[in-house]
Amino acid sequence: AQSVTQPDIHITVSEGASLELRCNYSYGATPYLFWYVQSPGQGLQLLLKYFSGDTLVQGIKGFEAEFKRSQSSFNLRKPSVHWSDAAEYFCAVGALDQAGTALIFGKGTTLSVSS
Amino acid sequence: GAGVSQSPSNKVTEKGKDVELRCDPISGHTALYWYRQSLGQGLEFLIYFQGNSAPDKSGLPSDRFSAERTGGSVSTLTIQRTQQEDSAVYLCASSRTNTDTQYFGPGTRLTVL
Repeated sequence: AQSVTQPDIHITVSEGASLELRCNYSYGATPYLFWYVQSPGQGLQLLLKYFSGDTLVQGIKGFEAEFKRSQSSFNLRKPSVHWSDAAEYFCAVGALDQAGTALIFGKGTTLSVSS
Repeated sequence: GAGVSQSPSNKVTEKGKDVELRCDPISGHTALYWYRQSLGQGLEFLIYFQGNSAPDKSGLPSDRFSAERTGGSVSTLTIQRTQQEDSAVYLCASSRTNTDTQYFGPGTRLTVL
């Protein structure tokens, strides 16, 4: 069965520092991969996605992620974090099967930004 | 509308009552998904609709949960005889096709007393 692991429950980063959020997935074929962000009281917003092609994908708000098949990873990065980036981040894998592309989410990583 | 809308935004109910949660997808989106977000279980897929096809109910946790989608647009998630463990945020998402990006609504926070 497909699964997603986000090893870090909570991360604190200084404003202006770089960020990397880890995501590992388990799926037999090439997955669809996503990163969503959820701010307090807000819905899920898509940051970026990988379907095929270039393994380094750019997203909104200066985020990028790299798909590494050999490591079954899809880590999210940002070179310089802003205080407004504080939120919860979810990695998800979509597997095309009879349930459309129902997403399987990781447990999330909460990002705190210190000044 | 510009995005997925859900109503009500908050619902408080008593154990044993039935509740209905509504989702209005983005116009033209043929695929519609329901998810549940709870502290203990994280984000879980519940049910999927594609156009007028029979829904995929593989994620529904019990037969107390059901959903319908009328006219290929608005969807209603019904929970019968609510239990305290049903307390969660119920999220709806829609996508243009079943392989396209899913856009999420703001959710309905359900509290069962």
